Amino acid sequence: AQTVTQSQPEMSVQEAETVTLSCTYDTSENNYYLFWYKQPPSRQMILVIRQEAYKQQNATENRFSVNFQKAAKSFSLKISDSQLGDTAMYFCAFGGGSNYKLTFGKGTLLTVNP
Amino acid sequence: GAVVSQHPSWVICKSGTSVKIECRSLDFQATTMFWYRQFPKQSLMLMATSNEGSKATYEQGVEKDKFLINHASLTLSTLTVTSAHPEDSSFYICSARTSGNTIYFGEGSWLTVV
Repeated sequence: AQTVTQSQPEMSVQEAETVTLSCTYDTSENNYYLFWYKQPPSRQMILVIRQEAYKQQNATENRFSVNFQKAAKSFSLKISDSQLGDTAMYFCAFGGGSNYKLTFGKGTLLTVNP
Repeated sequence: GAVVSQHPSWVICKSGTSVKIECRSLDFQATTMFWYRQFPKQSLMLMATSNEGSKATYEQGVEKDKFLINHASLTLSTLTVTSAHPEDSSFYICSARTSGNTIYFGEGSWLTVV
């Protein structure tokens, strides 16, 4: 069974600064995907970024980028130029197995301060 | 990204009645959909995996006779909470997997059983 660990229950950052959210996972699978989702107070789960395990290049999506270290089973999210709208709960997720069902971490509550 | 629509967003039902929640993939065909439940300040708990045309696979501890899942087409999965009780009140959210193994979520449904 897969496990996903987010060791930072809460984090805060000043507007326009950079913040990194950590995530580690454990799996015996070779083919899988890793995701970061953002959940604002509306509870909608918004896909932030996605990484295929077979790709060595780190995924980037505008201000969001990941540091994927496959050997270390680490998948951190960096948010650059933080904005007030980035305030949300962030969940790291592992997708694998025949259906690629997601296993979630417990989440990190990020607060961006003005 | 792909769009997943969930309906209704809010529903209140009387104890003992049944309520149905729909999950639709609007712009892609989803052979696999997932249903989650989220308790306050917690991560998402996978309830079941729904594959089009076959019976859903339930996670351990989820009552399949209480939470009926149907995936009759490539764009629609439904969750029916049967004989609902106040302890079933929760936030329920569905997701759908694209052919590229990215998973998108619906907006979620708040169920209140009175």
